Amino acid sequence: KQEVTQIPAALSVPEGENLVLNCSFTDSAIYNLQWFRQDPGKGLTSLLLIQSSQREQTSGRLNASLDKSSGRSTLYIAASQPGDSATYLCAVQTQGGSEKLVFGKGTKLTVNP
Amino acid sequence: GAVVSQHPSWVICKSGTSVKIECRSLDFQATTMFWYRQFPKQSLMLMATSNEGSKATYEQGVEKDKFLINHASLTLSTLTVTSAHPEDSSFYICSARVVGEKLFFGSGTQLSVL
Repeated sequence: KQEVTQIPAALSVPEGENLVLNCSFTDSAIYNLQWFRQDPGKGLTSLLLIQSSQREQTSGRLNASLDKSSGRSTLYIAASQPGDSATYLCAVQTQGGSEKLVFGKGTKLTVNP
Repeated sequence: GAVVSQHPSWVICKSGTSVKIECRSLDFQATTMFWYRQFPKQSLMLMATSNEGSKATYEQGVEKDKFLINHASLTLSTLTVTSAHPEDSSFYICSARVVGEKLFFGSGTQLSVL
C-alpha cells in the first residue's frame, strides 16, 4: 500500500528565505508525482507535475525534484514571500492505469513579513 | 487553466438529513471526476471515481449507498451524503482531469453535521 509522508508538518520562515519541503513515498512504482498548494476556502492548485521518467520540474521560484528509486521528492521555494503562505501537498499517482492520487498530510508554510 | 466549480463551499445540516454537493467542469468536458474527503489533520483520501453515464467506482471502505454519486453529463457530477451523521463531517473536494494535463480541483465543501 502506497504511503506518502511529508516533513515537516509545519514551517515558519522570514520573508526572503529559500526553503525546502520534503516528500517521501513507500512504493517507487509511480506514474508521476504532483505538488499542490491548498489555500483555505480555495481548494487545491496544482504547482508542478513530475513524470516518473523526469528528475525535476521548474516553474518560476519553484523547483521540484524526484528521485524515484529512493522514494523522495523535494519542493524548493526560492526567495519566499508572504503570499507563499499555504499548505503544500505532495501526491503520487500509482501505476496500473489508475487515476488515484495518494496524498501526504501536507506541510503548512508560514512566511512572515 | 481549466476551472472546476464546486458548490456549496460549506454546509451545516442536522443529523439524518441528506446533503448534495455539485462539481462542474466549466470550460471542458470531463468524462471522469474524482471525489476526495479530508478529515482534520489527515490526508486527502479518494472516495470514488465518477464516470459519465455509468456507475461510480468506490474505494474500499466507502459505502456506495451512503455516498451517492451521479455523473449525468460531461460537465456535472454530484455527491449526495445520505442520512448524514456527525462522523460524516469532513472536507469534500472534487477533481477532474483535462486529457494530457494536470488534475484540476474544485474549491471544496466543508460539511458539518450537527
